[in-house]
Amino acid sequence: GQQVMQIPQYQHVQEGEDFTTYCNSSTTLSNIQWYKQRPGGHPVFLIQLVKSGEVKKQKRLTFQFGEAKKNSSLHITATQTTDVGTYFCAGPFPRTSGGSNYKLTFGKGTLLTVNP
Amino acid sequence: KAGVTQTPRYLIKTRGQQVTLSCSPISGHRSVSWYQQTPGQGLQFLFEYFSETQRNKGNFPGRFSGRQFSNSRSEMNVSTLELGDSALYLCASSLDKGGREQFFGPGTRLTVL
Repeated sequence: GQQVMQIPQYQHVQEGEDFTTYCNSSTTLSNIQWYKQRPGGHPVFLIQLVKSGEVKKQKRLTFQFGEAKKNSSLHITATQTTDVGTYFCAGPFPRTSGGSNYKLTFGKGTLLTVNP
Repeated sequence: KAGVTQTPRYLIKTRGQQVTLSCSPISGHRSVSWYQQTPGQGLQFLFEYFSETQRNKGNFPGRFSGRQFSNSRSEMNVSTLELGDSALYLCASSLDKGGREQFFGPGTRLTVL
């Protein structure tokens, strides 16, 4: 079925280390979205990527959309304890093949823990 | 603008009971989606409403139902509660239908005893 796969499922790092999570789609996407959920909180929209090969930065976070628009990555430079949480990617999939009714489908997320 | 609000925030029910959860989207947002989240699980899609019509439905039993009102506010109902229904239920609103970025509410934490 149409799905979004994220790896790794868990990642534990020392504060100051870098972190990367990867997102792969079973099909080409019109856009990819990233969300962050802090422990005990709710998912918060971070960013949307639309163009093939697009790279966007938010302070220490770098988001990339693959050339084929089927994969994406989120890289955090020099992690801090405030980066702790689960990072989800999501993409719109048509409800039926070739259809125009799109549904946002989330990956299972990558849980990042940071040791201070 | 006020964010997405959900009521109640916490709920404790017993098996066999039913429950209704409410969601008020961001003003101007017409699409509302519902998700179930349990420990270790991702966001499991329940349904999406747009202009009072259910556009998409996830793989949940018929005990789970929802609706959307003309002011875009939405409710979801779970009948004949089971222990496995204990979860965080998240509502998300979006400006339009079709996989646009979503803005989540704080969720309703449902515990079934």
